[in-house]
Parts: sequence; C-alpha cells; structure tokens
Amino acid sequence: TQLLEQSPQFLSIQEGENLTVYCNSSSVFSSLQWYRQEPGEGPVLLVTVVTGGEVKKLKRLTFQFGDARKDSSLHITAAQPGDTGLYLCAGGSNYKLTFGKGTLLTVNP
Amino acid sequence: NAGVTQTPKFQVLKTGQSMTLQCAQDMNHEYMSWYRQDPGMGLRLIHYSVGAGITDQGEVPNGYNVSRSTTEDFPLRLLSAAPSQTSVYFCASSYGQYNQPQHFGDGTRLSIL
Repeated sequence: TQLLEQSPQFLSIQEGENLTVYCNSSSVFSSLQWYRQEPGEGPVLLVTVVTGGEVKKLKRLTFQFGDARKDSSLHITAAQPGDTGLYLCAGGSNYKLTFGKGTLLTVNP
Repeated sequence: NAGVTQTPKFQVLKTGQSMTLQCAQDMNHEYMSWYRQDPGMGLRLIHYSVGAGITDQGEVPNGYNVSRSTTEDFPLRLLSAAPSQTSVYFCASSYGQYNQPQHFGDGTRLSIL
C-alpha cells in the first residue's frame, strides 16, 4: 500500500494569513488529487496535478506537484474563514486511490 | 442533479446484526468505491469496482461484502456488525478509473453498539 503523509495534521490561523500544507510519499504517482471536505459532507475535488513540476492556481490556492512526482503542496494566500475544512491529498496505482490523513484547517475571523 | 446518493444517512446497529449500505449514481460512471473515515485515519479504501460485474478488495475489506450487478448501484454489506466498524462510510464514483475526479456521496454515519 502506497502511503501519503500530510503535514501539518492541524492548522489554526487568523484571517489574512498565508499557509502551506504538504503531501509527501516515497512512491511515484502518475497524478495527485487534492480534495476539501466540510463537516457532514463528502470530499470535493479541488484540483488534479499530473506533470512533475506542475503548478496550478485556483483563485487564492496554489498547488504544486514535485519534480519527481512524489510530493505536492497546497499554498493558500490571504486565508478566509470560508477556507476552513479538511484538506486531503490522494494518489493511486493498480486501480486503487489512496488518501492521506488530511490537514484540518481552521481560519479564525 | 442527484450525483452519488447514499442511504441511510444514519444507522445504529447492535453487534452481530447485518445490514446493507446503499450507493447509487446517475452519471453512468464505471468506477465506484467504498471508503470508511475514522478520526485521525483519513479515508481508507474498503472495496472498489471497475465496472458492472467486477469487484476487488481495497485496504480494509474484512467484514464487508460488495456486489456490482448494475452500473448504477454498488451496495456495501456488513455481514456481522462489530463495534470496530463504527465509522462514517463514503461511496464514490468516477468516469473512467481511479485517477479521475472522484464524486462522493454525503456519507452514512454508522454506530455499532
């Protein structure tokens, strides 16, 4: 089973601050997905990164895939309370998608 | 826009009881999967299906059965419920295979007493 390590596990910041969360593995993935999950709901896809070194932007969120396709990061600029949620990365092989344990982000007004 | 529908949303069982968690999708997706989510453990894959008539085991399959007789439905059966199966269960589907965007249901919250 391929493991995905996410850090930090918990993050509590003030509105307007910047933050970065990380997703690391010893395995190479053909692609990595990032999801956000809000309480009482299922995860919702934010982005998929495919190419080593790829950078994708989604408004204030910037996603990067490592050159070796073993790691990824999510950077949020000027965080807002609406960014609060559980951020999950996922990668897979052999027809199975593996999720990291997630980063629980709280943005305080 | 139904997407992925899971029923029931909540269930309480006694140890030893059996039940079926229902999952249906209306997007004609080939790939479907079941996950359980426990505090501090993230999402763990129970079973998955790459198409009607084909199922396979994930990371934590013991105590669960699945079948995929149609493209739309992918029920998860608990054979003899145990307290360790208390969890939130999510069903997901995707067009194509596992590396495509997964569409999740809203989950079934299951408590085993």
